[in-house]
Amino acid sequence: AQTVTQSQPEMSVQEAETVTLSCTYDTSESDYYLFWYKQPPSRQMILVIRQEAYKQQNATENRFSVNFQKAAKSFSLKISDSQLGDAAMYFCAYRSGTGNQFYFGTGTSLTVIP
Amino acid sequence: DTGVSQDPRHKITKRGQNVTFRCDPISEHNRLYWYRQTLGQGPEFLTYFQNEAQLEKSRLLSDRFSAERPKGSFSTLEIQRTEQGDSAMYLCASGAGLWETQYFGPGTRLLVL
Repeated sequence: AQTVTQSQPEMSVQEAETVTLSCTYDTSESDYYLFWYKQPPSRQMILVIRQEAYKQQNATENRFSVNFQKAAKSFSLKISDSQLGDAAMYFCAYRSGTGNQFYFGTGTSLTVIP
Repeated sequence: DTGVSQDPRHKITKRGQNVTFRCDPISEHNRLYWYRQTLGQGPEFLTYFQNEAQLEKSRLLSDRFSAERPKGSFSTLEIQRTEQGDSAMYLCASGAGLWETQYFGPGTRLLVL
């Protein structure tokens, strides 16, 4: 099975600053999808950003962008101009291009300091 | 459409009892997933439906767990003879299309005493 590793259990950032959350994964496949999900306290998980492995261009969604390094099997999330509402657990997830299972990392808890 | 809904949101039960959870996916989504999430962990895949067919089951899904999705609409997850180790958040997600973005429900938090 594929594994997804988030090596930062907790991170903090000053409001309006930039923070990068790390994610690495282990796979032998060439076709797959990567996702970042956000889970605010006591609220449901929502999609932040996604990336197709065959695309070399890094995905961007407003203040959120990724640094996808396929050879290194790395998929980090950069949050620019951090806002108080960004405080949440962030999960990195992998899905095979041929299968249906999603594999999640253990999450990074992000605190935004006013 | 109000998104994925789950019922109940919280369940407290005694060890050995059976519990059943319900998930209503987004109406046009043909794929439905069940996950279990324990404190400090990411969601762990339990099972997957495409329409009414259960296509994948994790080895985490012991024979005490059963899931159904009659008519390819809502789904139920039943846990028989609950154990304290079953205490967790049970998440449902639905999706559709090639990109298969999953939309999650709010979860059912189970506590087994």
